[in-house]
Amino acid sequence: AQRVTQPEKLLSVFKGAPVELKCNYSYSGSPELFWYVQYSRQRLQLLLRHISRESIKGFTADLNKGETSFHLKKPFAQEEDSAMYYCAPPGGYQKVTFGIGTKLQVIP
Amino acid sequence: DTAVSQTPKYLVTQMGNDKSIKCEQNLGHDTMYWYKQDSKKFLKIMFSYNNKELIINETVPNRFSPKSPDKAHLNLHINSLELGDSAVYFCASSQEPDAYGYGYTFGSGTRLTVV
Repeated sequence: AQRVTQPEKLLSVFKGAPVELKCNYSYSGSPELFWYVQYSRQRLQLLLRHISRESIKGFTADLNKGETSFHLKKPFAQEEDSAMYYCAPPGGYQKVTFGIGTKLQVIP
Repeated sequence: DTAVSQTPKYLVTQMGNDKSIKCEQNLGHDTMYWYKQDSKKFLKIMFSYNNKELIINETVPNRFSPKSPDKAHLNLHINSLELGDSAVYFCASSQEPDAYGYGYTFGSGTRLTVV
């Protein structure tokens, strides 16, 4: 089964500082990974998918097969980035438990 | 045109009652899910259905029973509600296989409070 771990429950950064939310995966084959974001009291939304290599709201994520990581990065944090962030493999038949996620707190 | 819609958004009920949460998706996805998010934001899968067939049934009390009348609907019925059932319940859908990497689409959640 595809598994991901997010080692940090809480990440606090100052506005304008760089952000890196960590995600590590542990399965063989070609991983498919996603980042989801949940703003306060809202639904989870798909933020990034590694297959598209896009940048959304200034965030990027690169799949590093050597380090088995898919860290989410942004060079300059903004207050509106404060949210819960979840790294996850795709859905379908797999038992995907998102886990605890990482709370990003951007301090003004 | 909400892609995944859940009703109700808020549900406050007394212990021991029976309640249902409904979910509908208009994306044509094959697979639907129920997730429970507790107060610590831990998001855990409860059930998954693919084309009306139960695929994933995690260890949840049998007071929780999902029902999928067709592939666009997945309802959650909860019997004999307990205080510990208080949480936000999210419905989600995805395409299987997810050939284009669209991931999940989530509903807006149902905040259940048992008093």
